[in-house]
Amino acid sequence: EVQVVESGGGLVQPGRSLRLSCAASGFTFDDYAMHWVRQAPGKGLEWVSGISWNSGSIGYADSVKGRFTISRDNAKNSVYLQMNSLRAEDTALYYCARSYGDYSHFDYWGQGTLVTVSS
Amino acid sequence: DIVMTQSPDSLAVSLGERATINCKSSQSVLYSSNNKNDLAWYQQKPGQPPKVLIYWASTRESGVPDRFSGSGSGTDFTLTISSLQAEDVAVYYCQQYYTTPTTFGQGTKVEIK
Repeated sequence: EVQVVESGGGLVQPGRSLRLSCAASGFTFDDYAMHWVRQAPGKGLEWVSGISWNSGSIGYADSVKGRFTISRDNAKNSVYLQMNSLRAEDTALYYCARSYGDYSHFDYWGQGTLVTVSS
Repeated sequence: DIVMTQSPDSLAVSLGERATINCKSSQSVLYSSNNKNDLAWYQQKPGQPPKVLIYWASTRESGVPDRFSGSGSGTDFTLTISSLQAEDVAVYYCQQYYTTPTTFGQGTKVEIK
């Protein structure tokens, strides 16, 4: 069974850092690109970042470029999102999702981990 | 960035009736090398992550009921629910994956009339 489980969310003060993790199982992890997509409370979906199967291609939304860093460890079937200089507008539910190929739909999503940035 | 615009923002449909959601992209998402549109539709129910229904604009994901169908090409796309069921109450999003950043429409909320 395919499983994608996010962790690492929580309450953090503006300007601080947080690292999200996404643990995958039930599929061949290095066959897939992985992504982070966020959803602010009551709002729509915003792609945050994506990483190809071999980390050779990485992309970021303009809203997080220079502050967030995505990485993956295929030996651990995991992908990470290091979030620095957090702002109130980064408050959202962060989903981890997979795609078969860098330019493809997201065919499986985790349940998400909530990040709240507030003083 | 490609802007995805959905219409309407919300709609209420009677059980068993047809629901139609439109999605327009600010530029074509037709990939000429394979003649496929890089357009997906997702369904998100309250408290759940999105679930893909349709990809390549008209290919139904495995396990998705055949009352869901997608159509369109280039910049104009439609998701149709042929006979609305109670379990179809959700927010629906279109997504283009033609280019980075991948972008989503603002969502369309479907309710029962």
